[in-house]
Amino acid sequence: NAGVTQTPKFQVLKTGQSMTLQCAQDMNHEYMSWYRQDPGMGLRLIHYSVGAGITDQGEVPNGYNVSRSTTEDFPLRLLSAAPSQTSVYFCASSKLDQETQYFGPGTRLLVL
Amino acid sequence: GENVEQHPSTLSVQEGDSAVIKCTYSDSASNYFPWYKQELGKGPQLIIDIRSNVGEKKDQRIAVTLNKTAKHFSLHITETQPEDSAVYFCAASKGGSQGNLIFGKGTKLSVKP
Repeated sequence: NAGVTQTPKFQVLKTGQSMTLQCAQDMNHEYMSWYRQDPGMGLRLIHYSVGAGITDQGEVPNGYNVSRSTTEDFPLRLLSAAPSQTSVYFCASSKLDQETQYFGPGTRLLVL
Repeated sequence: GENVEQHPSTLSVQEGDSAVIKCTYSDSASNYFPWYKQELGKGPQLIIDIRSNVGEKKDQRIAVTLNKTAKHFSLHITETQPEDSAVYFCAASKGGSQGNLIFGKGTKLSVKP
């Protein structure tokens, strides 16, 4: 049972490049979410999903796309990276009937 | 929407002393209040949580109190140890299928030996 895994751990992009941050969980959790963490800002919700085929926007969705084709995976896509997207990204998951969310180790993204 | 304020932003204590971190929330419909500990380079980990039908919860050296009327909750760490040094986040949510967590901005706790 690996819990929540994220890849890559670290990525450098140039402005305008695209990439996908991967998130997977093996706990059969219905709820999955993406947060970004910036200094002094805490964790802010980007997008979330309550099950396969269902996604919704969080507090800061602009510039990010998500999809949920399986229960296990919830990738986050940056279509055209901007320096303002330099951040640490965390994926989290939980059962819908349990509030406890489990976080992955994070992806540190630098956009030049 | 929900807004969570967390104080202080930094806290330094001597080993063995107690540490208290306070949070306030704005949405009276919130009913679930977790606390996360984040060590350097790692993801947040849940350390304790409380639901709105409970006023206090304790787990060894860690306790959380909730005042629903005043809409604030606090984390208490007693007999602090150097390994308690980390960033602590409070959060609030409406729970269940509305389980989006709204986080405070974090408190960096330093425990000096």
